[in-house]
Formats: sequence, structure tokens, C-alpha cells
Amino acid sequence: EAAVTQSPRNKVTVTGGNVTLSCRQTNSHNYMYWYRQDTGHGLRLIHYSYGAGNLQIGDVPDGYKATRTTQEDFFLLLELASPSQTSLYFCASSEPGAYAEQFFGPGTRLTVL
Amino acid sequence: QQKVQQSPESLSVPEGGMASLNCTSSDRNFQYFWWYRQHSGEGPKALMSIFSDGDKKEGRFTAHLNKASLHVSLHIRDSQPSDSALYFCAAQNNNRIFFGDGTQLVVKP
Repeated sequence: EAAVTQSPRNKVTVTGGNVTLSCRQTNSHNYMYWYRQDTGHGLRLIHYSYGAGNLQIGDVPDGYKATRTTQEDFFLLLELASPSQTSLYFCASSEPGAYAEQFFGPGTRLTVL
Repeated sequence: QQKVQQSPESLSVPEGGMASLNCTSSDRNFQYFWWYRQHSGEGPKALMSIFSDGDKKEGRFTAHLNKASLHVSLHIRDSQPSDSALYFCAAQNNNRIFFGDGTQLVVKP
């Protein structure tokens, strides 16, 4: 079965701190995604990528950078974390195409104090 | 404007009962619709997809799509406590997928 792993699972930082969230997929999927999940807002797309070196902007990109270093690895960077970025972050991967299922990781809970 | 709207926000049904979840999209370009389920402490997982008008049944779960009204529903027959979860409707076009805010389902023993 497809596998998406995320690290760390929990992270606490202070306002202004730097945070890197990591995601690795072993599905050989081209597409990878970063979402944040907040109560009342469902899943909101931050950034996504269709291959190593590629980055596409999602719906809520402000305050976030991302980098896809290999087909397997996708990183989300918060360079000056703010309390508004306290959230549950999910990574996902999928095949290309309009009918492709997305496979999600277990999530990273980030708290910015 | 949110592209995918779900109702109700929360739903409680007795064990063995029928749960009905609703979803409406605002974009006629969507080609494919999904239902994802998320148990507490886990990532969402695809439950089933539908792209043709009518019903699609998988075990106790039936999805219904009406493209004319852009309405999708999910019906869970003989609901079990293990069905308690957050259910997301999603609409997909090319490589963009849009999720609704979710319906929290509680099945009471």
C-alpha cells in the first residue's frame, strides 16, 4: 500500500522561529501536496509540486515556502513562524490526472507560541 | 467563494441507523467527486469516488451524484461506531482538488 510519512509528528516553536516540516512518499507518485487543517476550514492547500525542483502555489501560501528536492521528498518551511500558523499539517501524494486518489500522511501538529 | 460546501456540520445517528451527508459544488468544471474519511489522530483516507450521474454502492456506503444540480451525497447504511469520523467531500478537476469543511459523524452505540 502507498506510504506517506511525515516528521516531526509534533512541533512547538516560538513566534519568529524557523520550522521545517518533512514529508517522504514511497509511492513513486509525481504529485505531492501540503495542506493545513483547521477547525471550520477543512483542508486548505498551501503548496504542491509535480516533480523534483517544481513548486506550485496553492490557496493559502502566505508565510510558507516549500521545496521538492527529490521525487520522494517535499519540505514545508516556515521562516518566521506566527501564532496564526498553529495548525495540523498534512502531506499527500498522488498520480497525475483528474481521477487520482490522494494518499495522506499522518500529519504534523505545529504549535507556535 | 468556497467551491465545495458540506452539510450538516455534525451528525449523530444511532448504531444501525442511516447517516446521510450532503455536498454541493459551485463549479461545473469539476469532473470527479470523492468522499474522504478521517478518523481522529489520522490523515484523511479516500472512501469512494463517483463521476457518473446516479448511485455508486460499495458495501454499506452509497454515493449519489446529480451533475445537473452539482449535488453529491453519501449514505451509510447500518452505521457502526467505527464509522464515527470526519467526512470530507472533495471535487476534482485536472490536478486540483478542493475539499469541503467536513461533516463530523458520531455513531452512538
